[in-house]
Order: sequence, then structure tokens, then C-alpha cells
Amino acid sequence: DQQVKQNSPSLSVQEGRISILNCDYTNSMFDYFLWYKKYPAEGPTFLISISSIKDKNEDGRFTVFLNKSAKHLSLHIVPSQPGDSAVYFCAASNDYKLSFGAGTTVTVRA
Amino acid sequence: GAGVSQSPSNKVTEKGKDVELRCDPISGHTALYWYRQSLGQGLEFLIYFQGNSAPDKSGLPSDRFSAERTGGSVSTLTIQRTQQEDSAVYLCASSFSTYTEAFFGQGTRLTVV
Repeated sequence: DQQVKQNSPSLSVQEGRISILNCDYTNSMFDYFLWYKKYPAEGPTFLISISSIKDKNEDGRFTVFLNKSAKHLSLHIVPSQPGDSAVYFCAASNDYKLSFGAGTTVTVRA
Repeated sequence: GAGVSQSPSNKVTEKGKDVELRCDPISGHTALYWYRQSLGQGLEFLIYFQGNSAPDKSGLPSDRFSAERTGGSVSTLTIQRTQQEDSAVYLCASSFSTYTEAFFGQGTRLTVV
């Protein structure tokens, strides 16, 4: 049962523009959400997180928004840079177990 | 070490053979996770260790899979009688506590032929 869903397998964006990645979840017990970035042949690296008591968290070019009523979160990257081309995984936690989405492959075009 | 270390980075094995995958977590991290990523799929939870507590093995796909963590540090994931569907990248992660981010190793790419 996929509790965390990333419905867009890929996203292509022009350099300098905004990238918006979406993630939906079904388990209302999730209380901590994270985004990871993964390059080929490397493990995922932590990008940004948000607690369920917040609706926004910003770190430089990355902002995560959480809409608990809609069970939806999104990651905004602005401005997008070529080095942002990677697979992005959304993850949600209840107690300790991190459940991951299938990932969205972002390609930033020059 | 500075990060989570996994070995080997690549493993090709014949169907039916046993394999052992090793994970060295970040020093001081009490939580350790194993995940796997099959081709085109997300990260599938396998097992979780936290300190001296009983591990959460709920994600192990069959009794051919087992894992242990010795001395609260190094972990070994063992797959017995490997099958072709076991082919995947096996990722280990560790974290300082429950509500901090988990740091991943580079993974072990297992190919069963």
C-alpha cells in the first residue's frame, strides 16, 4: 500500500525558473516530512524537512509547503539550476519509519 | 568515518546463492535503516534498528531476508537463496534520533543472474 505518492515521474524546467514538485500522502498519522535528492549511483541526500505543526519551511532556494487538510506537500526550487537535475523523493514519518514516494526526476534545461 | 559506508558497492551473484551486504553507520547514530530500490520504484522499507530495542522487521519481503546489527554499530543484511527479483539497490541509512534526517550510504547494487 503506497502511503506516499509522487504522481509526476518527471519534470523538465528551464534554468532560472521555478521547479514545483508535489507529493500526496494517505496516512494522517504522519507527522514529519522530508525531501531527499538522489544523483545516479549515489545514495539519497537530505534536502529539507517540515514538521506537521508547520505549513512552510524555507532553506535558501528550497521551500517546502505542507497542507495537512489536503494531505499534500510540495517542494519549490527557485531559481532552478543545472545541478538540481536529479531524482527527488518525498518521505513521511510516523514515529520512525520513513515511507518514500516513487520519486520525481527533475531535468533543468540550460 | 564521515558518512554511511556500504560494501560491496556492486555484487553479482548466481541465483540460489547467499549474499551478505554490510553497512557501517555514522558514529553515534543509534538508528539504522535498510531500504531497497528496485528499478523504477521508490525506496522500500526493509528493517529498522534503534539502540537495544527489538528491530522492526516488518518490511522484510520473505524469510530469506535477515539482518543483524552487532554492538549497536555495523549491520549486515543477508539474503539466502537469492532470486532474480532480489536484484535491486540496497540502501542503508542511519540517524541520530527518530526525528532527525537519515543519512544514506551509496548503496549496494545487487544483480542476481
